Amino acid sequence: AQSVTQPDIHITVSEGASLELRCNYSYGATPYLFWYVQSPGQGLQLLLKYFSGDTLVQGIKGFEAEFKRSQSSFNLRKPSVHWSDAAEYFCAVVALYNTDKLIFGTGTRLQVFP
Amino acid sequence: DVKVTQSSRYLVKRTGEKVFLECVQDMDHENMFWYRQDPGLGLRLIYFSYDVKMKEKGDIPEGYSVSREKKERFSLILESASTNQTSMYLCASSLSAWEGKNTEAFFGQGTRLTVV
Repeated sequence: AQSVTQPDIHITVSEGASLELRCNYSYGATPYLFWYVQSPGQGLQLLLKYFSGDTLVQGIKGFEAEFKRSQSSFNLRKPSVHWSDAAEYFCAVVALYNTDKLIFGTGTRLQVFP
Repeated sequence: DVKVTQSSRYLVKRTGEKVFLECVQDMDHENMFWYRQDPGLGLRLIYFSYDVKMKEKGDIPEGYSVSREKKERFSLILESASTNQTSMYLCASSLSAWEGKNTEAFFGQGTRLTVV
């Protein structure tokens, strides 16, 4: 069965610093990959997605992620973090066995200091 | 815009009650999902439906059942609510990934269920 691992439960960065959130998945073939963000008290919003093609994908709010097949990773990056980026970030995968079951990681909570 | 609507934002139920959580989507999506979200555990899939009357268990189906009689509606049922089912419940929908469709999932605002 597919699974998603987000090894960092909580990350703290200073405003203006760069950010990388890690995501690893387990699945034999190329999955569909997603990053979602959830601000306090808000619903889930899609940041970006990877289906195929260019392994570096751009998303909203200045985020990008890179799919690395050899490492089974899909890490999220942002060159300069803003205070409004403080939220919880979820990586998710659709493994495409024969149904579109969407599985999430446990999330990474990002705290931003001024 | 795609809209996924959950019938209640907040619910308080008593232990042993039968609880229905309703979810409706307006974009003709094949797939619908029910998750529960708990601090530190992320979103855990309870049940998934890929077509009318078709369902598949997720990672934590125990104590839950689902119903999908119409394409746009997916119901989560707690047959006998227990305090350990107190949680935030999220519904989502997406197109089928077959034929290369964009299978991005759209989420409702969630139902915070408290079982007392």
